[in-house]
Amino acid sequence: GQQLNQSPQSMFIQEGEDVSMNCTSSSIFNTWLWYKQEPGEGPVLLIALYKAGELTSNGRLTAQFGITRKDSFLNISASIPSDVGIYFCAGPRNKVIFGPGTSLSVIP
Amino acid sequence: SQTIHQWPATLVQPVGSPLSLECTVEGTSNPNLYWYRQAAGRGLQLLFYSVGIGQISSEVPQNLSASRPQDRQFILSSKKLLLSDSGFYLCAHNPTAGGGYTFGSGTRLTVV
Repeated sequence: GQQLNQSPQSMFIQEGEDVSMNCTSSSIFNTWLWYKQEPGEGPVLLIALYKAGELTSNGRLTAQFGITRKDSFLNISASIPSDVGIYFCAGPRNKVIFGPGTSLSVIP
Repeated sequence: SQTIHQWPATLVQPVGSPLSLECTVEGTSNPNLYWYRQAAGRGLQLLFYSVGIGQISSEVPQNLSASRPQDRQFILSSKKLLLSDSGFYLCAHNPTAGGGYTFGSGTRLTVV
């Protein structure tokens, strides 16, 4: 079946550092979604991308829709402790498909 | 505005006991509804989805069942829980076609 891959699987960074993570697929998506899940909570939508090459920001977060339509990238600038969580990429088909997530830990 | 409610937030149940988790959505009609399970704080596994009252699709064979008795109510059940049913259960709906899902706050189930 269709799968999304995310890398890295986990990250441990110092507060203030920038973060980069990506999501890849073997098939094309017309929409890319990025979610953040904090411990003990449901995932929350951060950014939605609808067009190949699109670059969208939400505060310190920036996401890009890859031009091949098979990948997407999420960057977090100047990380802070509250950035801790699991970041999921997702792509809608008849149902939304989620990647396995990137776990981010920020060391104060 | 649209909101999605799940309860309870946490649940500890003995092996072999029944289960009923409830999810309700407000502010929308005829939503598509989904039950996910998340083990060990990682990937989201789709268990069931429903496009309307009484319409349930199962994604994976398992010890659980789902029902949709009302338009905005989605229930996850089990007759006899197994240890492997422990996990974080999330309900979701999709407010806009082609867009993402909105998730509830989840239920942490521990089977002992």
